[in-house]
Amino acid sequence: ETAVFQTPNYHVTQVGNEVSFNCKQTLGHDTMYWYKQDSKKLLKIMFSYNNKQLIVNETVPRRFSPQSSDKAHLNLRIKSVEPEDSAVYLCASSFGGGVAETLYFGSGTRLTVL
Amino acid sequence: GDSVIQMQGQVTLSENDFLFINCTYSTTGYPTLFWYVQYSGEGPQLLLQVTTANNKGSSRGFEATYDKGTTSFHLQKTSVQEIDSAVYYCAMSSMPNYNVLYFGSGTKLTVEP
Repeated sequence: ETAVFQTPNYHVTQVGNEVSFNCKQTLGHDTMYWYKQDSKKLLKIMFSYNNKQLIVNETVPRRFSPQSSDKAHLNLRIKSVEPEDSAVYLCASSFGGGVAETLYFGSGTRLTVL
Repeated sequence: GDSVIQMQGQVTLSENDFLFINCTYSTTGYPTLFWYVQYSGEGPQLLLQVTTANNKGSSRGFEATYDKGTTSFHLQKTSVQEIDSAVYYCAMSSMPNYNVLYFGSGTKLTVEP
């Protein structure tokens, strides 16, 4: 049962363009995340939001910025994409109330930068 | 800093073979350990959580064990099936940054009929 929705599924763009990815969760969770999965399947956290507050920002380039309108939505904007940004971007959510919670992932947005 | 190491990048087995995947972790905090599975075209999903108190977890025929002495944790299944073909990730969260989940590099399991 899918409860974390990401759009688009795929996006192809050229170097220097701006892109924006959307994520919505219907689980009533307080915390949302963006992870990057590279071509070798490595998963690394980029951002975490709890009730619209940024609580983790693992050193990502400044061209990346998370945007949250409410606790159910967490979008990702990339200003001026670079070739190394080609990856699958995974959105996730968790309850946000305590230690070591289960993360629920969306199916990802695959970005290809030409 | 906190880290998880997963050495086996790819594993190919035949149906009914035994599966064993190993990870080691490093943290100065108090860890909780997980196994996530990612099927093709989907996001990762939780397979097992291994709590330090119980030292063991099981789900869908998979069993996870944890050894605090060697800071390692393992995933095993006695008899794999073709539908188990997926990428398996070990992961860790650790106090005080319990909202951050650190993943291993993943093990791609292919089960041949």
